[in-house]
Amino acid sequence: NAGVTQTPKFRVLKTGQSMTLLCAQDMNHEYMYWYRQDPGMGLRLIHYSVGEGTTAKGEVPDGYNVSRLKKQNFLLGLESAAPSQTSVYFCASSLLAGPSSYNEQFFGPGTRLTVL
Amino acid sequence: AQSVTQLDSQVPVFEEAPVELRCNYSSSVSVYLFWYVQYPNQGLQLLLKYLSGSTLVKGINGFEAEFNKSQTSFHLRKPSVHISDTAEYFCAVSGEYNNNDMRFGAGTRLTVKP
Repeated sequence: NAGVTQTPKFRVLKTGQSMTLLCAQDMNHEYMYWYRQDPGMGLRLIHYSVGEGTTAKGEVPDGYNVSRLKKQNFLLGLESAAPSQTSVYFCASSLLAGPSSYNEQFFGPGTRLTVL
Repeated sequence: AQSVTQLDSQVPVFEEAPVELRCNYSSSVSVYLFWYVQYPNQGLQLLLKYLSGSTLVKGINGFEAEFNKSQTSFHLRKPSVHISDTAEYFCAVSGEYNNNDMRFGAGTRLTVKP
């Protein structure tokens, strides 16, 4: 049981390049999330998904796209990377979320992305 | 939407001393509150949570937090810290009826010195 895994762990891009970050979870969780972590700002939600085939915008969605074609995978895409997207990206998943329900999010180890 | 303010960006303490990490939140709806810990080069791990019921919640590693609705606070405490508690601590809040949208504070770096 690996929990939440992220690929790759590190990446350096040039401005304008594209890439996809992969998040995988083996806990049969319905909900998955992508966050970015920047110094002094904590974690900010980029996009999330409440189930296979569904996605929704979070707090800072601009410049990113996501897809959830399979329940266990959640992809984060950068179509044209910018230096402002240099950050550490965390994926998380939770069993469920909703009115009066428990929403512990389990986090992956992170991907450190640098855009030059 | 909810928001969180962690009042201290850095807290240095000596080993075996008590510590309090402060967190205030803002919300127009009922909330769930969380404290997460992040060790260097790792993801976040849940320390404790408040969903409802008793306002004093106990978590892992000897930490506890108290929910104070009138002061909109959720401060984290430990009576005696260890070197191994050195980490970054994040307070987080989500709305009770929309807890997909979790908002995190900026973090407090706890450094425990020998």
